[in-house]
Amino acid sequence: DAGVTQSPTHLIKTRGQQVTLRCSPISGHKSVSWYQQVLGQGPQFIFQYYEKEERGRGNFPDRFSARQFPNYSSELNVNALLLGDSALYLCASSPVVRADTQYFGPGTRLTVL
Amino acid sequence: QKEVEQDPGPLSVPEGAIVSLNCTYSNSAFQYFMWYRQYSRKGPELLMYTYSSGNKEDGRFTAQVDKSSKYISLFIRDSQPSDSATYLCAMSAGGSQGNLIFGKGTKLSVKP
Repeated sequence: DAGVTQSPTHLIKTRGQQVTLRCSPISGHKSVSWYQQVLGQGPQFIFQYYEKEERGRGNFPDRFSARQFPNYSSELNVNALLLGDSALYLCASSPVVRADTQYFGPGTRLTVL
Repeated sequence: QKEVEQDPGPLSVPEGAIVSLNCTYSNSAFQYFMWYRQYSRKGPELLMYTYSSGNKEDGRFTAQVDKSSKYISLFIRDSQPSDSATYLCAMSAGGSQGNLIFGKGTKLSVKP
């Protein structure tokens, strides 16, 4: 079975632009979470979705938004990019909203110039 | 004080050594404790999961949780060069809160 897939792998944007990152969960998993990992730090929780509804949100500004589609895939959108948004963006999937069974994808590396 | 504290290292050991990795936390509501391994430029890989206090063993890996001290550990026996990676501890209060709180990660290097 395929694991969590994310696209694109790498992305370079300039300040003020907007970006959309995509995630496909493991087959049968209904929950998707997004995390931001800045170099040298652990991942920080951004959003969690389950059955297309937002179930949790971390301490991130409103420039960050997400949605989940009927096929359980998800998109993360970031508007008005700042230099500090440069990070590895990780998607994790789990069968239900539980902490113990989250499986991460390879991430999308975003560089903001 | 951060919710989860983890010494970032780096930690360098010879092949075959026993490795001890640790995290402390401040939130007594945490019930789920995980260890992830992350190779350079890759996503985290779930290694061990423990619910509440106690020990759990899986091959060369042993996870320990001491909720009274708010302290968790991961032991790696007979360490191999392929164990060289960053090890992240993660925790959650569980229930409807599926979000994980991570430590900074400890960078481990196992020398042949």
